[in-house]
Amino acid sequence: GNSVTQMEGPVTLSEEAFLTINCTYTATGYPSLFWYVQYPGEGLQLLLKATKADDKGSNKGFEATYRKETTSFHLEKGSVQVSDSAVYFCALGKAAGNKLTFGGGTRVLVKP
Amino acid sequence: DTAVSQTPKYLVTQMGNDKSIKCEQNLGHDTMYWYKQDSKKFLKIMFSYNNKELIINETVPNRFSPKSPDKAHLNLHINSLELGDSAVYFCASSQPSARSNTQYFGPGTRLTVL
Repeated sequence: GNSVTQMEGPVTLSEEAFLTINCTYTATGYPSLFWYVQYPGEGLQLLLKATKADDKGSNKGFEATYRKETTSFHLEKGSVQVSDSAVYFCALGKAAGNKLTFGGGTRVLVKP
Repeated sequence: DTAVSQTPKYLVTQMGNDKSIKCEQNLGHDTMYWYKQDSKKFLKIMFSYNNKELIINETVPNRFSPKSPDKAHLNLHINSLELGDSAVYFCASSQPSARSNTQYFGPGTRLTVL
């Protein structure tokens, strides 16, 4: 079946540091890949997505590239802010109304 | 102009009670979902409806019964609540296509069973 593995947190960084959160997946066919973010006390927000191999999703300074050869979709941001403190979820989904399969989430804490 | 809304936001109740959580989306999507997030933040699909028809029913106790009166609404009724039902329940919706299935989530309902 489908599965998503992402690095366990918490990840603690200083402001303006570089952030990488690793995500690898197992799936049949060609899933879409997503990063969702959950700020404290809030629901999940879509951060970025990629629907095919070599696509790069980007939003709010975050980027992730769909790498089929390594089955990965690592999230990166060059300079984090305190406001980026949240839990980040990697997910994969197949088309046509299918469910999303989530990784376990990675808590990121950015200190001033 | 909230896209996916849920009520209530918080729900505290005693074991054995029956409760409902409501979800509405104004995105015009055909598909809606319920997910459960446990205390360790792990998210798992429970149900999915497409245009009022059940299409995904994961291994969920039959005390949980979803109902979709129309494609903009998906409610979750839980009978005989147990301590282990305490979690955050998220509703989501999407308009699936051949290329993608981006899902949009509601703010969540935090259920606490005492």
